[in-house]
Amino acid sequence: EAAVTQSPRNKVAVTGGKVTLSCNQTNNHNNMYWYRQDTGHGLRLIHYSYGAGSTEKGDIPDGYKASRPSQENFSLILELATPSQTSVYFCASGDHWGSQNTLYFGAGTRLSVL
Amino acid sequence: GQQVQQSPSSLVLQEGENAELQCNFSSTATQLQWFYQSPGGSLVSLLSNPSGTKHTGRLTSTTVTKERRSSLHISSSQTTDSGTYLCAIDREGNTRKLIFGLGTTLQVQP
Repeated sequence: EAAVTQSPRNKVAVTGGKVTLSCNQTNNHNNMYWYRQDTGHGLRLIHYSYGAGSTEKGDIPDGYKASRPSQENFSLILELATPSQTSVYFCASGDHWGSQNTLYFGAGTRLSVL
Repeated sequence: GQQVQQSPSSLVLQEGENAELQCNFSSTATQLQWFYQSPGGSLVSLLSNPSGTKHTGRLTSTTVTKERRSSLHISSSQTTDSGTYLCAIDREGNTRKLIFGLGTTLQVQP
């Protein structure tokens, strides 16, 4: 069964600190995504990747970096966390976009930056 | 502005009633998906329907691509259907990037 695992599930960080959110998928999907979800904005794409070694900017990449060291793992890095980055973050994986394909989401990471 | 608009923003039904959710989008879409987000936050794909009508279980989606709209019909609603329903389209020319609407929050009362 397709699985996307995010860690940690909850995180409290201090302003200016570094935060790394991790995502692991066992779907062997080429594409992986990081979204954040905020009230009034819905799900917004931060970074995505087409495969190991690649990262692409999404719609709101400022303040975030991404790393895809392997097919299975995709990390989101906040080098200098700010309170505006308090949100719920979702990782997802998917393959070539077609009517029979879909996105599989992780359970989410709730990040609070104080 | 928001490229994917969903209506209504919220809906309350009695168990057994049917629900009709709407999704309108402002850009050309080659892919359209409906997702369900549980009250606990987890997201799952319900179905992909870029055009025409598609059925799965109690769900029926109808997408009219040239009119840039899609609907999701839930028949005989159950309390377990409560949650938020999200519509998402791909961005023209980039089928790997999805744009999500804000969702319709459905509450089904017993």
